[in-house]
Amino acid sequence: SQTIHQWPATLVQPVGSPLSLECTVEGTSNPNLYWYRQAAGRGLQLLFYSVGIGQISSEVPQNLSASRPQDRQFILSSKKLLLSDSGFYLCAWRPQGPHNEQFFGPGTRLTVL
Amino acid sequence: DQQVKQNSPSLSVQEGRISILNCDYTNSMFDYFLWYKKYPAEGPTFLISISSIKDKNEDGRFTVFLNKSAKHLSLHIVPSQPGDSAVYFCAASAPRAFNKFYFGSGTKLNVKP
Repeated sequence: SQTIHQWPATLVQPVGSPLSLECTVEGTSNPNLYWYRQAAGRGLQLLFYSVGIGQISSEVPQNLSASRPQDRQFILSSKKLLLSDSGFYLCAWRPQGPHNEQFFGPGTRLTVL
Repeated sequence: DQQVKQNSPSLSVQEGRISILNCDYTNSMFDYFLWYKKYPAEGPTFLISISSIKDKNEDGRFTVFLNKSAKHLSLHIVPSQPGDSAVYFCAASAPRAFNKFYFGSGTKLNVKP
């Protein structure tokens, strides 16, 4: 069976510090991978998605970036965090092809102070 | 420009009664719709989906209805249970962009015992 891991579970970082959140998927190959953010009281905002190694689509211009160094690894980064980067970050995977649902990881709660 | 909208941020229902959660969309190209359930500090979990070739899909206590002419879908939960209390998100994707899901802002359901 497939599982998706995210770490860390919670993170408190000062403004201006770097960020690296990691997501890995087990039990599948060549998945589509996604990063979402849920700000307080808001819905799910798609940040990045990837259909393959090294292929990243950015949905929202901001100071975040994503990378996919391996087939089942997706990393969300920032060089300098802003207060507005606080939120709940969710990684998701989805099998290739249409009409497949996404499966979400447990999320990372990021607080920028 | 939100293509998927959930206009009710919250809903309160008595245990045993029906819960009806609504979702509207603007993009007529959407052909696949999903509902997710999310507890606090956890990732969303897939609940039920429907393809645009159908107008109804049922899974146990959960039924999703799709009205393509009105660009509206709804999730019915019968009977509602206290454990159903969570935030519910609807999502949609289009054939030419099936890798990308558009999420609504969520409806918080509270089922009272």
